Amino acid sequence: GENVEQHPSTLSVQEGDSAVIKCTYSDSASNYFPWYKQELGKRPQLIIDIRSNVGEKKDQRIAVTLNKTAKHFSLHITETQPEDSAVYFCAASGSQGGSEKLVFGKGTKLTVNP
Amino acid sequence: GAVVSQHPSWVICKSGTSVKIECRSLDFQATTMFWYRQFPKQSLMLMATSNEGSKATYEQGVEKDKFLINHASLTLSTLTVTSAHPEDSSFYICSARKGGYTFGSGTRLTVV
Repeated sequence: GENVEQHPSTLSVQEGDSAVIKCTYSDSASNYFPWYKQELGKRPQLIIDIRSNVGEKKDQRIAVTLNKTAKHFSLHITETQPEDSAVYFCAASGSQGGSEKLVFGKGTKLTVNP
Repeated sequence: GAVVSQHPSWVICKSGTSVKIECRSLDFQATTMFWYRQFPKQSLMLMATSNEGSKATYEQGVEKDKFLINHASLTLSTLTVTSAHPEDSSFYICSARKGGYTFGSGTRLTVV
């Protein structure tokens, strides 16, 4: 089955700096890669996602890149703000025809210092 | 947008009792529902996949007799934790796919 590795487990940056979180996946059939932000005791909140037919997607300060050959994808947050502090999870899943199970990475605790 | 309603949001039960958690898709039909468990400061671990009208598929290491899953209709999936023990205390959350994945609000289970 799918296995998703996420690094780093903790990340501390100064306000205004960029933050990068990286993930690798094992199943070449996976084709959907979302990123979630989760606050304590709450449901995961989708912040950006990418499908395997594109290599990069950007939404304001957040961007995701995907390298299908290497089977890794990354989250980039620019101009970080204290409110970006949270736990971030990457995940991977297959298509309707394959496994739809969404498998999560172990998470990254991001701290943005004012 | 797609909404999944999960109840209860929190529950405290005594050891040895059973607890049922419900997830309903409010504005779409969910033939499949995914159930996750999340321990403090850890990731969401997939426990099982419920399929409407058929048996659930459990992940390796998850006791199917302890975590009973029922998906009797296209809008309702339930997870029953049977003979609960303190080590079952966790955050349980369901998810269904409609385009992307929609999550319930989660259930905080505490077994005392």
